[in-house]
Formats: sequence, C-alpha cells, structure tokens
Amino acid sequence: AQSVAQPEDQVNVAEGNPLTVKCTYSVSGNPYLFWYVQYPNRGLQFLLKYITGDNLVKGSYGFEAEFNKSQTSFHLKKPSALVSDSALYFCAVRDEEGSGTYKYIFGTGTRLKVLA
Amino acid sequence: NAGVMQNPRHLVRRRGQEARLRCSPMKGHSHVYWYRQLPEEGLKFMVYLQKENIIDESGMPKERFSAEFPKEGPSILRIQQVVRGDSAAYFCASSPFGLAGAFSGANVLTFGAGSRLTVL
Repeated sequence: AQSVAQPEDQVNVAEGNPLTVKCTYSVSGNPYLFWYVQYPNRGLQFLLKYITGDNLVKGSYGFEAEFNKSQTSFHLKKPSALVSDSALYFCAVRDEEGSGTYKYIFGTGTRLKVLA
Repeated sequence: NAGVMQNPRHLVRRRGQEARLRCSPMKGHSHVYWYRQLPEEGLKFMVYLQKENIIDESGMPKERFSAEFPKEGPSILRIQQVVRGDSAAYFCASSPFGLAGAFSGANVLTFGAGSRLTVL
C-alpha cells in the first residue's frame, strides 16, 4: 500500500524567509503526489500535484514542490513566506483500488507558523 | 457551483445517541470520500462511495459506523450509539471519475468545510 510521511509536526519560519515543508513517500509504481492546505475551521484546499513531467511543480499562492525520485521526496516550498501562509499542510498520495478507482492517503500534517 | 456541502457544521450528541452527517458533492461529481480528523492525528480515510455502491470501507470501524450514497440525495455517514471517542471533525470530499483520467481536473479532491461532532 502507498504511504506518505511528514516528519515535522510544526515548522516555524520568519515572514519573508523561504519555507520548506517536508514529505516522503512510499509507492509501488509511479507516484501521484499532492499537497493540500487547511485553514482553521475549514476543509482542505488543493495546492498542487505531481503526476508526471517536470520535477518542479508550481501551484496556488506561490507554492511549489519538488519531486525527487531518488530520495522519494516531495517537499513543499515557497521562496518568501507570508503570515497568511500559516496553516496545516497535508501531503497525499493516490492509492489504486483496482478497476480504475482510487483513494487518497494523507500524511499526518505539518503545522506551518509564519512569524511576523 | 456551490462546492461540496456538508451539514450540520456542528453537532452535539450525548453518549448512546445517533449522529447523521450529510454530504452533497459538487455538481457532476459521482464519487464521495469520507475522512475523519482527530486532533494531532491528521486525516484518516474512512470510506469511498459511488452512487449506490461502496467502493472501499476499509477505514470504517466495524461496528456502529455506516455510510451510503443513494441514487438521489446526499451521502450520509451514520454513527450509532456514539461514544466520546467519536468526537472529531468529519470531512467529505468529492471527485469526478474516482480520481482517474487525464484531464486537468483529474486526481483532485474537493473538500467540504467539515462537520464537527462533539459527544458529551
């Protein structure tokens, strides 16, 4: 079965500094990888995905993620953090059910806190 | 397009009562997923349904929990005889085509705002 791991429960970064939220994955076959963000008392919002192609994927709100096959990682990055980026971030992988149906497996989440 | 609608947003039940959580997927989406979020535990998959069909319920507790997605109407997650440990946020998400497909919207879940269950 596919899985993802987010090794950091919380990441603190100063506003204006670059941020990285880490994710590693374990899959059989080609990975389909995703990042979602959750603001307080809200559902998850899609940020970006890697299916195939360029290893650097650009998404919403200036976020990007780098797919690294040799390190089995898909870290989320942003060059300059904003206080409004403070939220809970989830990495996810698509797990095939068979017969063309799929589900998502989510990591445990990383809380990002951007300090003014 | 109203997005994924969940209700109620907040539900309070006493131990032993039943909780019913509803989810109306986005228009055109025929696949629904339910997840449970416990404090400090991330998002746990519960069940995946198509219209009138349960695809995967491997994340559902064996007792007291059930889910359905009828031909007409919302998907319902039902918890019977609730206990304090059922207190959590329950999120519904929908997708077209069960996350398969090559179009740009493929493989993306759209989440509702969640239903927060508190068991007293």
